[in-house]
Amino acid sequence: EVQLVESGGGLVKPGGSLRLSCAASGFTFSSYSMNWVRQAPGKGLEWVSSISSSSSYIYYADSVKGRFTISRDNAKNSLYLQMNSLRAEDTAVYYCARSKGLGKYYFDYWGQGTLVTVSS
Amino acid sequence: SYVLTQPPSVSVAPGKTARITCGGNNIGSKSVHWYQQKPGQAPVLVIYYDSDRPSGIPERFSGSNSGNTATLTISRVEAGDEADYYCQVWDSSSDHPGYVFGTGTKVTVL
Repeated sequence: EVQLVESGGGLVKPGGSLRLSCAASGFTFSSYSMNWVRQAPGKGLEWVSSISSSSSYIYYADSVKGRFTISRDNAKNSLYLQMNSLRAEDTAVYYCARSKGLGKYYFDYWGQGTLVTVSS
Repeated sequence: SYVLTQPPSVSVAPGKTARITCGGNNIGSKSVHWYQQKPGQAPVLVIYYDSDRPSGIPERFSGSNSGNTATLTISRVEAGDEADYYCQVWDSSSDHPGYVFGTGTKVTVL
């Protein structure tokens, strides 16, 4: 059974940092691209970042570029999102999601999400 | 940047058909995927590549895509279909390619 479990969320002050993790199981992690999607309270889905299976290709939304860094460790079946210079508008539930590749591919499995709150 | 526009809400009686549109410039040239999200839950893929259904998704869910509009159709609507629905595409047209989600549509079953 495919499982994606996010962790690392919490309350952080504006300007602070946080590192999210996504532990994957039930599939060959190194064969799939991985993605982060967030959802602010009461709002819609917003794509954040994507990374290819071998980390050769990485993409970011303009809203986070230069502040967030996506990475993965295929040996540990884990996906990460390092978030720096956090702002109030980064407050959201952050989901990790799997895709067969980047580009035209869809997100077929999602984690349950981890809540990040940026507030003083 | 590429924009996908959905109606904020759609209301439908049980047993009837709900149609949710997703508008975007020449969206017919892109692959569109649809997700269902119920309150407090993660999104679930219901349609991929415009009209394909993942295993476990009822045949009542179907999709189409042409011109400037993609459509998710839910036939014989049931109370359990009440949820938010989002379309998604990959936008490679700009200097910063990436995924784009639609604005989302809340489906209410009357």
